[in-house]
Amino acid sequence: QVQLQESGPGLVKPSQTLSLTCTVSGDSMSSISYYWSWIRQPAGKGLEWIGHIYTSGSTNYNPSLESRVTISVDKSETQFSLKLSSVTAADTAMYYCAREKAWVNAWGGYFDYWGQGTLVTVSS
Amino acid sequence: SYVLTQPPSVSVAPGQTARIICGGNDIGTKSVQWYQQKPGQAPVLVVYDDSDRPSGIPERFSGSNSGDAATLTISRVGAGDEADYYCQVWLSSSDHAVFGGGTKLTVL
Repeated sequence: QVQLQESGPGLVKPSQTLSLTCTVSGDSMSSISYYWSWIRQPAGKGLEWIGHIYTSGSTNYNPSLESRVTISVDKSETQFSLKLSSVTAADTAMYYCAREKAWVNAWGGYFDYWGQGTLVTVSS
Repeated sequence: SYVLTQPPSVSVAPGQTARIICGGNDIGTKSVQWYQQKPGQAPVLVVYDDSDRPSGIPERFSGSNSGDAATLTISRVGAGDEADYYCQVWLSSSDHAVFGGGTKLTVL
């Protein structure tokens, strides 16, 4: 059974960089069948895809966040990370990591396993 | 940018059928996923590739997609189906995922 667990600071100051890690268990991050994604949800609002990383290391990001986002995979290939720079109060949200099952012969996929989420508040 | 439009809320009596619409330009040409999110919980995939169900999802959940609208249909609705439902597609033109705004399903 695949499990994902987010971790990182729950409070980040404005203008600083938000850093989160997702630990994956029960699956290999080197599988060509999956991307590894970050998704966020402000309180009382909808879901927003942040970006994902493939086993090759290639990434795609939401165009609205692309200038501030970096997603990377740890050398152990059991964790992947999110960095979001120059944060403001608008970045306050629940942040989820998810496994994204890749389509065959097409880009993208669907999110079949999710972490429980971690709340990040941006405040001084 | 591509927008997926969902009604903010849908209400249905117990035992009846709920239909949640996700509108988007030519959405029928894309693969649509649906996620269920209960309060305080992470989303759960209930339909993928327009109409397929992951293992463990009841047959009461079904999906369809044509033209400018995709539909999630939940038959024999019960109190346990109360949740927010989100549609999602992948935009190959710009390589990113998009979610609808979500629909709150209320069981009367």
